[in-house]
Amino acid sequence: DGGITQSPKYLFRKEGQNVTLSCEQNLNHDAMYWYRQDPGQGLRLIYYSQIVNDFQKGDIAEGYSVSREKKESFPLTVTSAQKNPTAFYLCASSIVSGTYGYTFGSGTRLTVV
Amino acid sequence: LAKTTQPISMDSYEGQEVNITCSHNNIATNDYITWYQQFPSQGPRFIIQGYKTKVTNEVASLFIPADRKSSTLSLPRVSLSDTAVYYCLVGDSNNAGNMLTFGGGTRLMVKP
Repeated sequence: DGGITQSPKYLFRKEGQNVTLSCEQNLNHDAMYWYRQDPGQGLRLIYYSQIVNDFQKGDIAEGYSVSREKKESFPLTVTSAQKNPTAFYLCASSIVSGTYGYTFGSGTRLTVV
Repeated sequence: LAKTTQPISMDSYEGQEVNITCSHNNIATNDYITWYQQFPSQGPRFIIQGYKTKVTNEVASLFIPADRKSSTLSLPRVSLSDTAVYYCLVGDSNNAGNMLTFGGGTRLMVKP
């Protein structure tokens, strides 16, 4: 079955550490996105990518980095510069043009310990 | 991107029809209206999408008036499992990046 796989489901980070969240899709979608969700809040866009080797900052990119070396993969690194990283992270993908809809992964819950 | 406004929360009872209205006064000609459903600790799930008039699928109906400045998601005969957050999004499928902005959504609580 086609879909998006995020791993790990739960992740714990010590202060000062960088951690990388994985996102893989087999939907042949061109565009991929990372969102952050805090408790009781909506989703906020961190980064997005329309094509391999290209990505753009979203609304809250500071303290995060991404890469898009393959169409199927869009990993997110939460760096030590992100002062409040504890949140639920969601990856999504979509086709670039035409009638669209997002397909989301099941999310990664990151906690700073 | 057009901004949307929807109620923060709604309560309903099992078996009732639920209508959630979203305002999007600044909707552009090329914008589509899309609704998503999110359960706790899960990613949002696409429910329905429309451009104008009425769209119906096996899950819901979407009503869009002629001026397209609002839309109403209709859930027929809700059950306890429909308790979730519902997001209304407006965007242009040809927009660079296809970015969608998720507001706070509407928290629907279905009671027995």
